[in-house]
Amino acid sequence: SQQGEEDPQALSIQEGENATMNCSYKTSINNLQWYRQNSGRGLVHLILIRSNEREKHSGRLRVTLDTSKKSSSLLITASRAADTASYFCATVRWGYNNNDMRFGAGTRLTVKP
Amino acid sequence: EPEVTQTPSHQVTQMGQEVILRCVPISNHLYFYWYRQILGQKVEFLVSFYNNEISEKSEIFDDQFSVERPDGSNFTLKIRSTKLEDSAMYFCASRVGPDTQYFGPGTRLTVL
Repeated sequence: SQQGEEDPQALSIQEGENATMNCSYKTSINNLQWYRQNSGRGLVHLILIRSNEREKHSGRLRVTLDTSKKSSSLLITASRAADTASYFCATVRWGYNNNDMRFGAGTRLTVKP
Repeated sequence: EPEVTQTPSHQVTQMGQEVILRCVPISNHLYFYWYRQILGQKVEFLVSFYNNEISEKSEIFDDQFSVERPDGSNFTLKIRSTKLEDSAMYFCASRVGPDTQYFGPGTRLTVL
């Protein structure tokens, strides 16, 4: 299965602390993406990292990718209460007329004010 | 900024009834997808659609499910005879490039 698996399943931190979430996967990929989902709402695309990239930044987000270990991490720095949400990694593998996207089970992040 | 839209936002139906979930993908996108997310679980791929035909479908997408692009803008998911376990959030997505799929806000389907 290509599906990503996140850990931890749940993470609770204080506002201002950093939050790190990890994702592991099983097959080769073309890119890996992180999404955020507020409870009962839609998926918001956060960041995409390609298989030939090792690190990427976007605002308070930092994503790393280690293709040799088939793993990625998402770091949110200086967390805020508004960052409380579930975070999912999604692996993408290109195919003929398709890009095969598979999601992990997610990490539920709670940031306490 | 263009976005994927879905209607309705919430659909309640009786077991055994047919439902049609509607999506309007971003206008220049060529690839379309349906996913579902049972409450508290991961987002699961259902089906992908390109050039007016299914490209790929998962084991979940059995004969009770069908997709259609009836005109140049809508992309629909039909569930012929709903079951209790079909209760979930259904997301539509579309893309034009090779990488990023753009997701709609979802339709919450409740089967009673």
